[in-house]
Order: sequence, then C-alpha cells, then structure tokens
Amino acid sequence: ETGVTQTPRHLVMGMTNKKSLKCEQHLGHNAMYWYKQSAKKPLELMFVYSLEERVENNSVPSRFSPECPNSSHLFLHLHTLQPEDSALYLCASSQARQGASPLHFGNGTRLTVT
Amino acid sequence: AQKITQTQPGMFVQEKEAVTLDCTYDTSDQSYGLFWYKQPSSGEMIFLIYQGSYDEQNATEGRYSLNFQKARKSANLVISASQLGDSAMYFCAMRESHPQGGSEKLVFGKGTKLTVNP
Repeated sequence: ETGVTQTPRHLVMGMTNKKSLKCEQHLGHNAMYWYKQSAKKPLELMFVYSLEERVENNSVPSRFSPECPNSSHLFLHLHTLQPEDSALYLCASSQARQGASPLHFGNGTRLTVT
Repeated sequence: AQKITQTQPGMFVQEKEAVTLDCTYDTSDQSYGLFWYKQPSSGEMIFLIYQGSYDEQNATEGRYSLNFQKARKSANLVISASQLGDSAMYFCAMRESHPQGGSEKLVFGKGTKLTVNP
C-alpha cells in the first residue's frame, strides 16, 4: 500500500462515546499532522508530530487526544465530543528538515457527532 | 500572523480552456513557501505545485503553473486545457518560514470550487 491511509472513512458517534481515528503513512516520512476541515472554514491545524515528538498543539480541546507511537502511525482519540466537532479530519505526513516538503494527505475521516 | 485569501468561492470553465484561480497572501516573513492543493469530492488533498519566495521563475507542473507576483503578494494557479476531472476544490496554502522541528506548518485559504463544463 502506498501513500497515507486513514480509517475509518466515516464515523458516527454519540457525545458519550469513545472512538479513535487511525492514520498510517507508507512514504517513509517523519512528520505527521492532524487537520480539521469544517464546512466553509479553512483547514485548521490541530496537532503536529515531528520525529515522533509533538511539536504543535493548536489550542485543541482536551477531548481530542493524539498519539504517535512511531513515525508511520498517528491516532486521534476522541471522547465526549460535541456536535460542533462534526467535520472531516485529515491526516498528513511530510519529510521534516528537507526544505519545502509538501504535505501528503489521506482521504480523511468524515466524523458526525450526534 | 500569516493569512491566505481566496476571493473566488466558485469558478466555472469550459473544457479545454484555461482558468486562473486567485490567491493573495499576507506575511512579514522574507522566506516562505506557497502551495496549491486539489480536493476532489473523495476528500483527499492532492498536492499540485509549490513556489518558494526566493524562486525567480514561476513554478510549473504539467498543466499547472503558478503566476507568482511577489510585490503584489499573489500566487495565482493557472490550469491550462481544463479537463472534466479538474472539477474539485482548490486550496492555496502558505508555509511558515520557521516551522518547529523541521515540520511543515501550513496555513490554508478557504478554497475555490472549480467546475469544468463539457
């Protein structure tokens, strides 16, 4: 498999549920990202991991908890979400410290919170 | 703070014609990078083209070219010979000049929805 793979593609969860989004990259990159894409809003950067260390946390509520066990895998753990958290969650990877390395994105997980 | 503005919510173009998608940016950094991404209805963000602030020539990648006007702070995407498969959302993004840990921190615009008509 090549590129960046996200699972599941679609997720519907209640506000009291706990779920996790998974991202896996097969590009040999060493930086991984979570972005949130809401309707009619620019993509919002949530978390950045570079060389498996979290280097960015953009004031994201604690109900979102990232985990990066190695350079190929990234998780986003979700608990007690709100309806306004419904959005497309995009994972991306890049090669850190290599000049202008473009981000490579997955297909995203479409999350609906009921 | 860096900012990206895409003023065209939607654009229409006839198949085989060229189209320009506008992007202006605001930054006080001397060193920065500009990216364009395409997002089809499937959701994946596809990297199209990159322009560095010190690049003297406009970037080109196949049918995509970037009209970079540094003094005007604009980085418009030109798609030549449009195809039906070009119908998608297009996002302009700017890279922070000193990203932490060597990672790429991108700021995105709101996007332009391009529709190619047969």
